Amino acid sequence: AQSVTQLDSHVSVSEGTPVLLRCNYSSSYSPSLFWYVQHPNKGLQLLLKYTSAATLVKGINGFEAEFKKSETSFHLTKPSAHMSDAAEYFCVVRDTGRRALTFGSGTRLQVQP
Amino acid sequence: GAVVSQHPSRVICKSGTSVKIECRSLDFQATTMFWYRQFPKKSLMLMATSNEGSKATYEQGVEKDKFLINHASLTLSTLTVTSAHPEDSSFYICSAPLAGGSSYEQYFGPGTRLTVT
Repeated sequence: AQSVTQLDSHVSVSEGTPVLLRCNYSSSYSPSLFWYVQHPNKGLQLLLKYTSAATLVKGINGFEAEFKKSETSFHLTKPSAHMSDAAEYFCVVRDTGRRALTFGSGTRLQVQP
Repeated sequence: GAVVSQHPSRVICKSGTSVKIECRSLDFQATTMFWYRQFPKKSLMLMATSNEGSKATYEQGVEKDKFLINHASLTLSTLTVTSAHPEDSSFYICSAPLAGGSSYEQYFGPGTRLTVT
């Protein structure tokens, strides 16, 4: 069975400082991993995805994530936070052979001016 | 990118009534759509997989007679909450992968907030 653990329910950073949102996964097979962002009253938007290619994945808006199999982690980072990054972020896993996604509990990112 | 719409965006209904939520893929065909439920400050929970031309597949613990799913066409899936109760109040989100394309990426609708009074 697959599962995702987002280690922080809430992260607060100052504008211009780095962002780190942590995610650990559990999967029986080789997983596909994703980060989605949800802004208030907006649909979920895909930030980036890992599908067994390069372990360092670059996404939109300056975000990137590194797949570390030995640590079963897929942490999301950004060098410099922007006010518009404030949102809810979900780490998501999809096992090989399944089309449905399993979501983590979400991390709310707050960016202080 | 591909667009998925949901209608209505918000609905308030009285306890005991039924509510239908539509999910449409606007610029692509979707043989499969997924319905999720999101509680306040909680993650998305997969409720069921909607399959065009066949019965939906429900996740464990989801009542299929309460949450009726119909995948009427390659661009439309509907979720009907029957005999709604206040505990059914939630945010319902659908998603669809591009048919024939990579199944790794799904496109999400903006969600429907249901409030049962």
